[in-house]
Amino acid sequence: DADVTQTPRNRITKTGKRIMLECSQTKGHDRMYWYRQDPGLGLRLIYYSFDVKDINKGEISDGYSVSRQAQAKFSLSLESAIPNQTALYFCATSDLPTSGSRSDTQYFGPGTRLTVL
Amino acid sequence: GQSLEQPSEVTAVEGAIVQINCTYQTSGFYGLSWYQQHDGGAPTFLSYNALDGLEETGRFSSFLSRSDSYGYLLLQELQMKDSASYFCAVSSYNQGGKLIFGQGTELSVKP
Repeated sequence: DADVTQTPRNRITKTGKRIMLECSQTKGHDRMYWYRQDPGLGLRLIYYSFDVKDINKGEISDGYSVSRQAQAKFSLSLESAIPNQTALYFCATSDLPTSGSRSDTQYFGPGTRLTVL
Repeated sequence: GQSLEQPSEVTAVEGAIVQINCTYQTSGFYGLSWYQQHDGGAPTFLSYNALDGLEETGRFSSFLSRSDSYGYLLLQELQMKDSASYFCAVSSYNQGGKLIFGQGTELSVKP
């Protein structure tokens, strides 16, 4: 079974609709992230959470909100979807960084391809 | 702020060696990571450098020069399956565990 899962994998919706993308993980990690990927723009951070009571904005949080329901679950919502939110969305997790090697390694889910018409 | 630069595309032939460069600007630099992504799939971790020098993992190696704010990913004995996008990412003390990703380099391996 995959360690990081995302639902749905594909979604087509219309402008103005509310959409929720869900992420679950079985890795036992405290840290979870939502990224957006557009062609040629790499991965841009939308929101991140370092534990259940911690929510932080990333570089492109406008138009998005998140909920950390439990250690294992982190949801991303588009309150009123617009066409320029059409993109590939990834959830990722990471463990607490340790000093020395391999801190900040992130584990990504399979992605959700969202199309807003 | 933080910024990273890497080439947008690289092409090489099967069996060859290719180097993908990454230059970065960030304060409180902690480490440089590399991730691989096939055809819009999940990015996967390849390597991490916190100290200057070369880290080798099989056919892949990663190099870091902290004084030059520069690193590279070296892929040897290229195979067709290495065709993918490769992202460098920096972590820094003032980013508290977040990664800042470069825009990615699309590697095409030709027969």
